[in-house]
Amino acid sequence: GQQVMQIPQYQHVQEGEDFTTYCNSSTTLSNIQWYKQRPGGHPVFLIQLVKSGEVKKQKRLTFQFGEAKKNSSLHITATQTTDVGTYFCAGGDFGNEKLTFGTGTRLTIIP
Amino acid sequence: DGGITQSPKYLFRKEGQNVTLSCEQNLNHDAMYWYRQDPGQGLRLIYYSQIVNDFQKGDIAEGYSVSREKKESFPLTVTSAQKNPTAFYLCASTKDRVYNEQFFGPGTRLTVL
Repeated sequence: GQQVMQIPQYQHVQEGEDFTTYCNSSTTLSNIQWYKQRPGGHPVFLIQLVKSGEVKKQKRLTFQFGEAKKNSSLHITATQTTDVGTYFCAGGDFGNEKLTFGTGTRLTIIP
Repeated sequence: DGGITQSPKYLFRKEGQNVTLSCEQNLNHDAMYWYRQDPGQGLRLIYYSQIVNDFQKGDIAEGYSVSREKKESFPLTVTSAQKNPTAFYLCASTKDRVYNEQFFGPGTRLTVL
């Protein structure tokens, strides 16, 4: 079955530093979604990418979908304490009706 | 306010007992999903349902059962056959197919003693 891996598993950064998490799928994806889960909370949708090579920005967050639609990345510029949490990518298969979630990257910020 | 509710937030059960987790949505969403999350882990799909009276197994369905008798409700039963049931259970819904975002409930933390 489809597998989606994320690296790194954990990332500790100084406040103000940049942060990047990478997502890789074993199969070509129809789309990729990104979610953020705060400690003790539930995942919250951030964005969806559908097109090959697509890049989307949300303020300090930049999301990319690879040309082959098998990988994606999330980059946060100048991290803030509010960025703390676990970031998950989730890939959709063609013809499927479900998402396969990545293993997540847990971001902690050192003030 | 539209959203997804899960109850209870914390649940304790003795080993060998079945337990049913509630999930209700008033978003008029067609699809509903159940995930399991273990500490430091990602989300693993247990069951999902695209329409009423129909559901499919996810990646880790063994030891679980579901029903979808109403569009708004998708309860999950954790049976005694589930070998390691202690986990955080999340319910989600989407308007229709995979191209839409998933809305999650607050989750139920189940502890089996």
